[in-house]
Formats: sequence, structure tokens, C-alpha cells
Amino acid sequence: DVQMTQSPSSLSASVGDRVTITCRASQGVMNYLAWFQQKPGKAPKSLIYAASNLQSGVPSNFSGSGSGTDFTLTISSLQPEDFATYYCQQYKNFPPTFGGGTRVEI
Amino acid sequence: QITLKESGPTLVKPTQTLTLTCTFSGLSLSTSGVGVGWIRQPPGKALEWLALIYWDDDKRYSPSLKSRLSITKDTSKNQVVLTMTNMDPADTGTYFCAHNAIVGYYYFDYWGQGTLVTVSS
Repeated sequence: DVQMTQSPSSLSASVGDRVTITCRASQGVMNYLAWFQQKPGKAPKSLIYAASNLQSGVPSNFSGSGSGTDFTLTISSLQPEDFATYYCQQYKNFPPTFGGGTRVEI
Repeated sequence: QITLKESGPTLVKPTQTLTLTCTFSGLSLSTSGVGVGWIRQPPGKALEWLALIYWDDDKRYSPSLKSRLSITKDTSKNQVVLTMTNMDPADTGTYFCAHNAIVGYYYFDYWGQGTLVTVSS
């Protein structure tokens, strides 16, 4: 299985901060990489697919980049509603696998 | 608008079989290209993909759990059912069903709210 490693596992930030989360795959997944946001007790919400494509309805302060093994999720200006846990997922290789998550705290 | 909702028991005993139902709207499993999958999340841990079924009844399972899983669909009821045999306390967690966005790839764009299953005697 492709191992997905996220860093950091948690971070503290303030409203208005620029936040960057990294996801590394144990082998190349091209651009078959998605990012999800999850709030406590809620379902994951799709943010980005194909590494850099914003899901419909997702605010433009979210962006994704990368290809191959290294990927980044950037929140350009953190908003109060952005405090959550973020997961990456590769869907190039079978089985699909998720990263361990990055908790963004106030 | 695609919506999905999971239902099933909140508590099962070890060795029992779990049966979960995903009821959806805004999509049809009689339409070419449509797929619905299941993903779970142990408390405080990461997500784990379990199974996927396509409109043509093609089924895919997590290799590590394949012997314990079965996924079926009822197109007339807009439902997908997941069964997991020989439940263990390690199977405790929230189980989500989700819409597969891309045929042949395991990307899920719409998710249900999840249902918490506890395995305990």
C-alpha cells in the first residue's frame, strides 16, 4: 500500500495566518491526490482533487499543489471556520490510502 | 444535490456480523459510471477505505479486509449495504458511505454524516 505521511500532525495558528500542510506519498501517485477537511463529529468535506483542483463551492483561500510524491495544501488567510483536521488521500494506486491528518488549532 | 445517509446498529458484540445501509438521493446506481463506497474511521484515528460498488455491480474491497466484507446494492431502493463479519473491538469507529466521483479511481466527493459502531460485549 502507498503510505501517506502528513506534516505537521498538528499546528497552532491565528485568524489571518497563512497555513501550509504537507503530504508525502511513499511512491509516486502523479496528481491523483485529494484533500479533505473534517470537523469534530462531521463527515469529511472534499476540498481539492487532482492535487490542485478546487471542489465546487470551496473558498478560493484554499489551494493545492504538487505532483509525484510531494503535495501541499495552503490556506492563504485562515478563517475561524477553517479550524479543523485536514487529510490527504491518494487514489492513483489500489487500495486508496489516507494520511494521518493535520489538526489546525487556534 | 447528492446526499447519503448511513444507518445500522450502534452496538454489536464481538464475532457478530455488522450490516450497514447507505441510503442516497441525487444519484442512481442504475446510471453508468456511478459508484458508492464505504470508509471508516476509528475514534481519533485516520480514515480507512473499505469497499466500493459500481453501477454494473463491479465490486472492490480492501485487501486487508476482503475476507470479511460484502457490498451489495438495491437500485430500486437507492441503497447500498455493507456487511462485515466476525466483528472485533478494533472495528469500533464511524462508518461513512460516499459517492465515487471518478470511475476507476477511488475519489469520493460527497459523504454521508457517518454512523458510529461500537463493538463490545
